[in-house]
Amino acid sequence: GAVVSQHPSWVICKSGTSVKIECRSLDFQATTMFWYRQFPKQSLMLMATSNEGSKATYEQGVEKDKFLINHASLTLSTLTVTSAHPEDSSFYICSARDFTMETQYFGPGTRLLVL
Amino acid sequence: QKEVEQNSGPLSVPEGAIASLNCTYSDRGSQSFFWYRQYSGKSPELIMSIYSNGDKEDGRFTAQLNKASQYVSLLIRDSQPSDSATYLCAVNRGGGADGLTFGKGTHLIIQP
Repeated sequence: GAVVSQHPSWVICKSGTSVKIECRSLDFQATTMFWYRQFPKQSLMLMATSNEGSKATYEQGVEKDKFLINHASLTLSTLTVTSAHPEDSSFYICSARDFTMETQYFGPGTRLLVL
Repeated sequence: QKEVEQNSGPLSVPEGAIASLNCTYSDRGSQSFFWYRQYSGKSPELIMSIYSNGDKEDGRFTAQLNKASQYVSLLIRDSQPSDSATYLCAVNRGGGADGLTFGKGTHLIIQP
């Protein structure tokens, strides 16, 4: 099956710092990657969609200048949380698929805690 | 606002019985429907996908789709304690938009 990895699996940072999360497709070329966020006891909420080589499309209410997404290759997308604040603490999960897939495959997630 | 609704539970089912999970969605343009299982602290893993009206079976799992009623369900036969998890219903967004809309999930507990 399709495998997606994320790094780091968890991160603790101070308020005001920036954090970069990597999402990699290990055995397929991901033409599209998605970034989701999940707060405790809540469901996954789509933050943005990125297609390789294009600018990301952000969902309503998600600040594109705060959550920088780069999808520069067919196997790697990065999410940078800039000037992180405690309210950004959440479980960030990426998913990926190629153009032949109906199904998205999820990475293991990154738990972010901003102090 | 496109929504996916699930009963949050918990749904408690004896081991060996059939667990029935339900989901309704509001976007009539949706064409693809998914059930994911999420263990506490982990990311979702795909259980089933379904695209056409009717039933789709895979091992102990059966997904059912009724587009006219905008209703999706998941049946788990011979429930095992390891099936205890939160089950998320996800629907693709219609109208050409990409990405999935998730329900809040149903917490399933299989009692040994």
